[in-house]
Amino acid sequence: GAGVSQTPSNKVTEKGKYVELRCDPISGHTALYWYRQSLGQGPEFLIYFQGTGAADDSGLPNDRFFAVRPEGSVSTLKIQRTERGDSAVYLCASSPRGGGTGELFFGEGSRLTVL
Amino acid sequence: DQQVKQNSPSLSVQEGRISILNCDYTNSMFDYFLWYKKYPAEGPTFLISISSIKDKNEDGRFTVFLNKSAKHLSLHIVPSQPGDSAVYFCAARVLGGSQGNLIFGKGTKLSVKP
Repeated sequence: GAGVSQTPSNKVTEKGKYVELRCDPISGHTALYWYRQSLGQGPEFLIYFQGTGAADDSGLPNDRFFAVRPEGSVSTLKIQRTERGDSAVYLCASSPRGGGTGELFFGEGSRLTVL
Repeated sequence: DQQVKQNSPSLSVQEGRISILNCDYTNSMFDYFLWYKKYPAEGPTFLISISSIKDKNEDGRFTVFLNKSAKHLSLHIVPSQPGDSAVYFCAARVLGGSQGNLIFGKGTKLSVKP
């Protein structure tokens, strides 16, 4: 379909390993966002890209988390030295340029389990 | 400290009746409020929003009311349908904040029974 696509849908890894999560936004959407949703919680903001640059990374919890969007389309969220507390559903969303009302289009998420 | 609170984890309503979902907030600098709906194994989908300069916004069966003095908003669904059964998240954006930096509540699970 034409929605936000996230891969993998499920990822199980061991504590200390490195993980990459990929997001393919809706075609033509210049803004891209990463959120994290832990069990029983609402989505929590991580980072926002406008084009290729990170316009707001204030939600990244620590320096183990990093995200890139080198060509202004696909984005990758990278987590180093994973910890059990990183287990969550990682949601990606996109919006058109100028979408200033907060209406985001979310993907189905990547469920990360750290054993 | 939670800035957006949805104090009811769940709500059960009969088909055809009104569903009222509530949300309280603490930050007076929020300028935009949104409701998202989430089905299992899917991402949240935008439902309706309201600017802080308004007190009501209506879209079909969905109406959002904002009471700034009480720092309270509510979502009304009339009439409720079984397909409305989902988790509803209230979200808010800080004035001057980046457009996609939304603060979400924990959600309320709505069950509409036939």
